[in-house]
Amino acid sequence: EPEVTQTPSHQVTQMGQEVILRCVPISNHLYFYWYRQILGQKVEFLVSFYNNEISEKSEIFDDQFSVERPDGSNFTLKIRSTKLEDSAMYFCASSESPGSNYEQYFGPGTRLTVT
Amino acid sequence: KNQVEQSPQSLIILEGKNCTLQCNYTVSPFSNLRWYKQDTGRGPVSLTIMTFSENTKSNGRYTATLDADTKQSSLHITASQLSDSASYICVVREGGSYIPTFGRGTSLIVHP
Repeated sequence: EPEVTQTPSHQVTQMGQEVILRCVPISNHLYFYWYRQILGQKVEFLVSFYNNEISEKSEIFDDQFSVERPDGSNFTLKIRSTKLEDSAMYFCASSESPGSNYEQYFGPGTRLTVT
Repeated sequence: KNQVEQSPQSLIILEGKNCTLQCNYTVSPFSNLRWYKQDTGRGPVSLTIMTFSENTKSNGRYTATLDADTKQSSLHITASQLSDSASYICVVREGGSYIPTFGRGTSLIVHP
């Protein structure tokens, strides 16, 4: 069964460093998303992406964040200058359509630890 | 502000027992409500989706209900198994928006 994959599974970085989190969405999906979940907190929406453009983004997704689909398979989230409070689990998701009845399939997540 | 509140925060039951998880929301206009299961260290997996006109939907041992008037939903798990131990998250989608609102989840532990 097709699934969303994410790498790395765990990333440790120092405050102020740039990190790139990678995702490979399900191959026939066209809509991509990033979410984060701080330990013990609820999942929070960051950004949605379609046709090489950001469709929607939350207040969390400020100028230090960026997303890119550098090729036909990868979808990346870049954090330019990490802060301690960026430590969280980051989930990528993809869907066939942005329609609300279309399921978003989540990857296993990347645990980011900023020290 | 759209909110999704879940109760209880955590629940411990014995294998084979039933349980019911609750979700109250203030999201408006309402589009749909999903229940997700999230195993520790994994991404959420959808169990059910309910739209405005649906009252009950089952998926195996999982049965979700929706009362759109009172803005409440429940997830009933029948004959629990050890593998049901997970966080169960209620997610509500606002009409016209692609941004879902997540609840904090109910942590369910099933003991043998």
